[in-house]
Amino acid sequence: GENVEQHPSTLSVQEGDSAVIKCTYSDSASNYFPWYKQELGKGPQLIIDIRSNVGEKKDQRIAVTLNKTAKHFSLHITETQPEDSAVYFCAATSSGGYQKVTFGIGTKLQVIP
Amino acid sequence: GAVVSQHPSRVICKSGTSVKIECRSLDFQATTMFWYRQFPKQSLMLMATSNEGSKATYEQGVEKDKFLINHASLTLSTLTVTSAHPEDSSFYICSARGLGDSLNSPLHFGNGTRLTVT
Repeated sequence: GENVEQHPSTLSVQEGDSAVIKCTYSDSASNYFPWYKQELGKGPQLIIDIRSNVGEKKDQRIAVTLNKTAKHFSLHITETQPEDSAVYFCAATSSGGYQKVTFGIGTKLQVIP
Repeated sequence: GAVVSQHPSRVICKSGTSVKIECRSLDFQATTMFWYRQFPKQSLMLMATSNEGSKATYEQGVEKDKFLINHASLTLSTLTVTSAHPEDSSFYICSARGLGDSLNSPLHFGNGTRLTVT
């Protein structure tokens, strides 16, 4: 099955700096890679996603890049703000019968004011 | 749009009792719902996948007789933790994929249920 590795597990940045979270996946058949933000006591919320026919996607301060050859994808947050503090999960969707989504272990991002 | 409501948000129960958690898609029809379990500071672990009108598919190591899943309609799935024990205490989260959604579409998550078994 799919295996998604995510790092770092924790990340502290000063407000206004950039944050980068990296993930790798193992199943070359995976072709959809969402990123979720989870605030304390809540369910994950989609913040951005990328499909395998695209190398980069940007939405305001958030961008995601995908390298299919290396099976890497990354989340970039620029001009970080305190409200960006949360746990971020990357995920990869396999092509199995039930379209299973495999999550990374999560990155706890702390933006220091 | 695409709101998933999960209820209750918190529940405390005594050891040996059963607890039912509901997951509803409020503004769309969900052909597939997923149930996850999340331990503190850990990732989401898929427990089972349910499709409306059919039996759930459980992940390896998940006891189907302990975690009963029912997906009786296109807007409701339930997870019942039977004969709960303290080790079942966890954060349970459901997610749904809408009717007609492709593989390359995001999941819509509920806000989770914090279960504490005393």
